[in-house]
This record gives sequence, C-alpha cells and structure tokens, in this order.
Amino acid sequence: GAGVSQSPRYKVAKRGQDVALRCDPISGHVSLFWYQQALGQGPEFLTYFQNEAQLDKSGLPSDRFFAERPEGSVSTLKIQRTQQEDSAVYLCASSLNNRRNTEAFFGQGTRLTVV
Amino acid sequence: AQSVTQPDIHITVSEGASLELRCNYSYGATPYLFWYVQSPGQGLQLLLKYFSGDTLVQGIKGFEAEFKRSQSSFNLRKPSVHWSDAAEYFCAVGDDNYGQNFVFGPGTRLSVLP
Repeated sequence: GAGVSQSPRYKVAKRGQDVALRCDPISGHVSLFWYQQALGQGPEFLTYFQNEAQLDKSGLPSDRFFAERPEGSVSTLKIQRTQQEDSAVYLCASSLNNRRNTEAFFGQGTRLTVV
Repeated sequence: AQSVTQPDIHITVSEGASLELRCNYSYGATPYLFWYVQSPGQGLQLLLKYFSGDTLVQGIKGFEAEFKRSQSSFNLRKPSVHWSDAAEYFCAVGDDNYGQNFVFGPGTRLSVLP
C-alpha cells in the first residue's frame, strides 16, 4: 500500500484479555516504531525495530507488552492480560532508514478500549 | 533527557486570522525539531522539520516555524488560518541515536471559528 496500515482500527477488549495489534509499514522501510497515545496526550515511544531486530524497547510499560517483527516487515504489538490503563491509541510509524533527517510516516492507529 | 512543552492546551482563532502555536524544548545538543498535525481519526502528518541551517523553516499548508536557540523555542505560525486547519498540533524533538524516536509535547488543539 501507499502508507502505513494498522489493523484493527478499533478494538474493545475485556479486562484480562490478550490483544494483538498489527502494523504494515511502507514497503522497504527499515525502521519501525510503536507509540502509545493516551487520551488528550502526545504519543509516547514504546519500541523500535531496525529490520527484524528490536533495538530499543525501553518504552514498553510492563512485561505484559511484547512486540515482534520476525521478517523485518509486518510488526505485531501484543498486550497480555489487558488492564484499563492500557486503553489508548497505538500508533505505528516507519521510515526508510534511521538517519535523523529521514521522515517517519505514521499509520492511523488502533484505538484500544479495555472494559 | 529531552522534553517538550506546549503551553497552550487549546487555542481558538477566527478564520483568516494569524496563528502562533508555542513550543519549548529541553535538549542538550542541537535539536532536531518537528511539528506534526493530527486530524480526528487520522495519523500524524509532518508539517515541517528543522535540522540545521536557516532558522526559519517552511512547511506544507502554508505553515512556517522559527527555531530560536536562545529561547529554546520552535513556534509554529501561519499568517491566515483556514477552517480545515482545525486539528491537534504536536511539537516533537528527535532522539540523538535515531531521529524518529520522538519525544512529543502534549499537543495544542486548534479550533477555527467561521
């Protein structure tokens, strides 16, 4: 596709349920980022991949959060035993490389609501 | 650690009026600075960015921003606002190690009166 695609767009989960959020980056983009955006706030960094390697996961809020990008393209963010505080929009971004002057393109996000 | 503040949570302007959105950053070295816009239900779209050189940068949709190192600011401006500019605006600073690990500000919501 032409841009970063995320699915599902909306997800409602019962507390304690596991969820998986998918990100399809722009073809050929090496770098992939996940961000969490709580209601009324700016996005916060979760994790970064360069190809299939997860180089930084310092932003993951707990060990219930896990991300993977096994073949260096599609990425999945998994949240186990969801809690109400996990409710947020999860944004994925990709860029051609990790140089600082390379533009990052964002997907529309997945809005997760935990009830 | 880097940080970004946007002092104005919500701004309302009339269509055709000028606009300035404030952004202040805390960063030890020369910052890479960005402004993004987010419309309801949409992803973030890059408006403009500053890396080096001319401190006045031009972006899309008629926006510009000025980097002032002495004030640690990167304010966004537009001379004449259009109704379609109503959105959430985020200022961000890029990380040292890889530029797209952004630290975002809390955002400023812009409303435009007809």
